[in-house]
Amino acid sequence: GENVEQHPSTLSVQEGDSAVIKCTYSDSASNYFPWYKQELGKGPQLIIDIRSNVGEKKDQRIAVTLNKTAKHFSLHITETQPEDSAVYFCAASSSSASKIIFGSGTRLSIRP
Amino acid sequence: EADIYQTPRYLVIGTGKKITLECSQTMGHDKMYWYQQDPGMELHLIHYSYGVNSTEKGDLSSESTVSRIRTEHFPLTLESARPSHTSQYLCASSEFFLAGEAFFGQGTRLTVV
Repeated sequence: GENVEQHPSTLSVQEGDSAVIKCTYSDSASNYFPWYKQELGKGPQLIIDIRSNVGEKKDQRIAVTLNKTAKHFSLHITETQPEDSAVYFCAASSSSASKIIFGSGTRLSIRP
Repeated sequence: EADIYQTPRYLVIGTGKKITLECSQTMGHDKMYWYQQDPGMELHLIHYSYGVNSTEKGDLSSESTVSRIRTEHFPLTLESARPSHTSQYLCASSEFFLAGEAFFGQGTRLTVV
């Protein structure tokens, strides 16, 4: 069935450095790739998304890249700050899909 | 802020009790989902719905049941709670015809003793 693999499961970076999280998907029909951030005690919230007709999208310190041929997409966070510490999920879905497929999550810790 | 609400936020209940976790959204979304999130953080889809009177089982087998009598309401019921049901339950919704953002509630932390 459809699958989204996410790596790494945990990531610790020095404040100010960059963090990169990578995901691969299996369903060729996927055309929407969101990234969610989950802070302690809260539900996941969308932070950035990309559709299959675009290769890269940036929003301030956050960027996402998509390689449709290789079926992988990545989240890049630059100039990391303490408030970036959270669990991040990638996901994939399509207009015809019945559900959203989530990756297994990455726990990001920012060291002061 | 998302207009999707879950109650209660926390629940401690004895084994064998029947419980209903409430989820409501005011965005008019057709698709709704229930996820079970284990301490290792992974999200497991246990139920979803395309719209009123539509319910489907998710990828993770669950002893819970759901109903969708109204668009805005998607409650989850456990007829007889067991310690193995202890977990975080997250409800979400999204638009039907678009592959777009899913909005999550704050979650219900269930503990069965």
